[in-house]
Amino acid sequence: EVQLVESGGGLVQPGGSLRLSCAASGFTFRSHFMSWVRQAPGKGLEWVANIRQDGSEKNYVDSVKGRFTISRDNAENSLYLQMNSLRAEDTAVYYCARAPARARLDYWGQGTLVTVSS
Amino acid sequence: QSALTQPASVSGSPGQSITISCTGTSSDVGGYNYVSWYQQHPGKAPKLMIYEVTNRPSGVSNRFSGSKSGNTASLTISGLQAEDEADYYCSSHTNINTQVFGGGTKLTVL
Repeated sequence: EVQLVESGGGLVQPGGSLRLSCAASGFTFRSHFMSWVRQAPGKGLEWVANIRQDGSEKNYVDSVKGRFTISRDNAENSLYLQMNSLRAEDTAVYYCARAPARARLDYWGQGTLVTVSS
Repeated sequence: QSALTQPASVSGSPGQSITISCTGTSSDVGGYNYVSWYQQHPGKAPKLMIYEVTNRPSGVSNRFSGSKSGNTASLTISGLQAEDEADYYCSSHTNINTQVFGGGTKLTVL
């Protein structure tokens, strides 16, 4: 059974940093693109970033470029999102998702809530 | 990277059919057959319903179907059921190797 479990969310002050993790199991992690998607409270989904199987390609939405870094550890079956210079508008539930093909997110975690507030 | 355009809400009675539109540009929806649709119930993670415009993942009811014409993709749900009431999001690959979602459509089953 495919499982994705996010962790690392919490309350952080504006300008602060946070590192999200996503533990993957039940499939060959190193064979799949992976993505992060977020959802602000009461709002719609926003794609944040993705990363190629070997980590050689990373893509980001404009609003997080230069502040967020996606990475992965295939030996640990884990996906990460390092978030720096956090802003109030980054407040959201962050989901990790498996991306077997373009725009196709077939398995999602339960999400982890990030709150940026003073 | 502008969001795709979806109607804010649609409604239908049980047994009826509804269609949700998703309009983008030639840089996303119109340029690729990589359009997907997601269903999200309150407090839950999204669920993939359609991928690559018309394909259904295993386990998704054949009451759900997708199509595309030009820069607009559509999701049709036939034989509406109470459990179909949810938010629906379209998504597309883009010409800069990112992915973009629509603003979401709230489906109400009357």
